[in-house]
Amino acid sequence: GAVVSQHPSRVICKSGTSVKIECRSLDFQATTMFWYRQFPKKSLMLMATSNEGSKATYEQGVEKDKFLINHASLTLSTLTVTSAHPEDSSFYICSAALAGARVGQYFGPGTRLTVT
Amino acid sequence: TQLLEQSPQFLSIQEGENLTVYCNSSSVFSSLQWYRQEPGEGPVLLVTVVTGGEVKKLKRLTFQFGDARKDSSLHITAAQPGDTGLYLCAGLEGLGSNYKLTFGKGTLLTVNP
Repeated sequence: GAVVSQHPSRVICKSGTSVKIECRSLDFQATTMFWYRQFPKKSLMLMATSNEGSKATYEQGVEKDKFLINHASLTLSTLTVTSAHPEDSSFYICSAALAGARVGQYFGPGTRLTVT
Repeated sequence: TQLLEQSPQFLSIQEGENLTVYCNSSSVFSSLQWYRQEPGEGPVLLVTVVTGGEVKKLKRLTFQFGDARKDSSLHITAAQPGDTGLYLCAGLEGLGSNYKLTFGKGTLLTVNP
């Protein structure tokens, strides 16, 4: 099956610094990648939809200047949390959609971000 | 964005019992997916239902999509401790290449041995 990886799996950073999270589709091309945020024992909240070669589409209430998304290739999307604060601590999950497939969405293993 | 209501939110049962999780919306989805997630991991797709009235079985798991494509259910027979996890339903909305998944709030299932 299609595999999506995320790096790093865990990261601890100090308040005020920026953190970059990578999402890679390992064995398929993904025209669309999605970034989600999840709080403990809660559901996934869609943050933004990332299309290769174009600007990301952010969900209402998500600050695009704080959560920078870049989808530079068909296999890589990055999420950068800028000027991180403790309230940004969360589990960030990406998913990748197979090119042309509306239901083929595969999830990465997630990245646990802790801001101290 | 369409909303998905999932119930119950928490469920703790004994091994061998049966259970049903419900996913309801006032809106129609083109398809609906069920995922299972374990702590510290990403969700894993269990099934996609597309046709109203569709029933799919995956071993001890039975998934139903309502006739009007607004609701779905997941039934687990003879639950086992390995079934423990967060069960999420997600509805697909959008057209063409512009689509997204809307997730329900999830059902946290604990199966006690």
